[in-house]
Amino acid sequence: KAGVTQTPRYLIKTRGQQVTLSCSPISGHRSVSWYQQTPGQGLQFLFEYFSETQRNKGNFPGRFSGRQFSNSRSEMNVSTLELGDSALYLCASKRGSNTEAFFGQGTRLTVV
Amino acid sequence: GDSVTQMEGPVTLSEEAFLTINCTYTATGYPSLFWYVQYPGEGLQLLLKATKADDKGSNKGFEATYRKETTSFHLEKGSVQVSDSAVYFCALGPMNRDDKIIFGKGTRLHILP
Repeated sequence: KAGVTQTPRYLIKTRGQQVTLSCSPISGHRSVSWYQQTPGQGLQFLFEYFSETQRNKGNFPGRFSGRQFSNSRSEMNVSTLELGDSALYLCASKRGSNTEAFFGQGTRLTVV
Repeated sequence: GDSVTQMEGPVTLSEEAFLTINCTYTATGYPSLFWYVQYPGEGLQLLLKATKADDKGSNKGFEATYRKETTSFHLEKGSVQVSDSAVYFCALGPMNRDDKIIFGKGTRLHILP
């Protein structure tokens, strides 16, 4: 059974640009969550989607957005990139509400 | 609100030493509890879980028991190896449909040969 797949694995962008990250969940999982991980702030929750609807949202500016498609694949977009957006972005999928989450390997974003 | 507190690292041990990483939680109900591990350059992997009080989760020699009376879920391993060097996260599962998983800040573990 394939795990959670995130693409791309590494990305370098310039300040002011925008970026789109992709996440394919485990087959049958309808919930996808996104996290930002940095050395200083640790693991921070961005948002969760379930059946194409945003169900939960963390405390991030509006430059961070996401969506989920009918096949449960999800994308997150960051516009007007800042140096502080450099981080490992992790996606996790779950089968249902009260179940464990399975993580992808992450996308390492570097903003220069 | 609900929260998870785990011991801050880094924790440095010699190979074959006994490991304990403390984790306590605050929750209004009885959530599932998880330990995740993150190896360098990787995402988080589920290490073990427990879904109700007195349950013991175990995997790869690691164990943790869901203690309702002390609201704790401490991670233990009897004899650590260099390959156990990683960051360990304690997490609280959602209790309602709109809740999210709550993670602790992570504990970095270094095992010396």
